[in-house]
Amino acid sequence: GAGVSQSPRYKVAKRGQDVALRCDPISGHVSLFWYQQALGQGPEFLTYFQNEAQLDKSGLPSDRFFAERPEGSVSTLKIQRTQQEDSAVYLCASSLEGTGGYGYTFGSGTRLTVV
Amino acid sequence: AQSVSQHNHHVILSEAASLELGCNYSYGGTVNLFWYVQYPGQHLQLLLKYFSGDPLVKGIKGFEAEFIKSKFSFNLRKPSVQWSDTAEYFCAVIYLDSNYQLIWGAGTKLIIKP
Repeated sequence: GAGVSQSPRYKVAKRGQDVALRCDPISGHVSLFWYQQALGQGPEFLTYFQNEAQLDKSGLPSDRFFAERPEGSVSTLKIQRTQQEDSAVYLCASSLEGTGGYGYTFGSGTRLTVV
Repeated sequence: AQSVSQHNHHVILSEAASLELGCNYSYGGTVNLFWYVQYPGQHLQLLLKYFSGDPLVKGIKGFEAEFIKSKFSFNLRKPSVQWSDTAEYFCAVIYLDSNYQLIWGAGTKLIIKP
């Protein structure tokens, strides 16, 4: 597609509920990144895929967070047993080549609110 | 540690005023530099980027930025702001000798009074 698409745009979850956030990157983009953006802060790195391989998941805050990109295109970020501190905007970005040296194209984000 | 600092968290200006938003990054070798803008309710958009060459780069919507290597700075400027420039502005850096991650500043919220 023309841009990076994320769904849902907004998600309200009860504490303890599992959620799944979807990212459709730009077709042909090799790299895919997930970021978490808390209110009033810059995005924080969560995880990085190059095609279907998850090369870095060091930014995932706990083992309740899991990401996959099984066919090297669409990616899903799953959060199990959501907690209030998980409330944030989750951003997906894709890049044409492996190092991101040409910048990233961001999706609109999914705003997750845990109540 | 690699880090990016944006000097002002909030800036309020009147229309037609000149703008300069500061960005400094910590030393870490060769860098690519970016400014992103996030309009209210919208996604992050690239304003401009510097990879090499002329240290004065021009971006969209009349914005420009100057890379000063000796000061580790990449300040964003616009000669005359408009109400529609109200947004949050983020400076970001990729350290090419290190990894692929964008290191982000905390952002500057810019409010333009009509």
